[in-house]
Amino acid sequence: VMTQSPATLSVSPGDRATLSCRANETVRNYLAWYQQRPGQAPSLLIYDTSTRATGIPARFSGSGSGTEFSLTISSLQSEDFAVYFCQQYNNWPYTFGPGTTVDIK
Amino acid sequence: QVQLHQSGPGLVKPSGTLSLTCAVSGGSVSSVNWWTWVRQAPGKGLEWIGEIYHNGAVNDNPSLKSRLTISLDQSTNQFSLTLTSLSVADSGVYFCARGRAAGAIDLWGRGTLVTVSS
Repeated sequence: VMTQSPATLSVSPGDRATLSCRANETVRNYLAWYQQRPGQAPSLLIYDTSTRATGIPARFSGSGSGTEFSLTISSLQSEDFAVYFCQQYNNWPYTFGPGTTVDIK
Repeated sequence: QVQLHQSGPGLVKPSGTLSLTCAVSGGSVSSVNWWTWVRQAPGKGLEWIGEIYHNGAVNDNPSLKSRLTISLDQSTNQFSLTLTSLSVADSGVYFCARGRAAGAIDLWGRGTLVTVSS
């Protein structure tokens, strides 16, 4: 089971945002982060805890291991206001967290 | 570049069967990837349904028990999902996707909205 906090994060453009993801058992480093904008499919941001996917800007970074993980957006841009999901792929069935909505303060 | 093109009905009756197909263009289902299905109930989070490897190996979500079949057709470069005994709880957007060999999903289809209703 994956949990995410907070459920909603209200941030001003240019601010730093830190999102948390927790697993109820170790997932080693097999943790990904996705961004989903309204009406769109999710897109991969980070895999293997801290590796940015192709084309993802450096303001996105991931860290953690085992059961505690975080996604940091160093300086929020307008296009970053979206929902963020974490996913573990260490154990089948793979599971997603419930998501964190990042909205404009 | 590789793209995924979904097809299938948007409306299915309760107790009926859902069949969705995902066509792969710009690439091959025989490549070293896990071809994956994920769904999202209206206003909710993501649920991993299952995946199939190029050799036909399947991993699926036990929550769907024996209702789910995932298959792959190399001759048509497509993979498919079949879900039987549908209920209203199966309504939502179904995404086909490509999983990396290590499991993260790096490519998504646009999604198909499926409504289970009489």
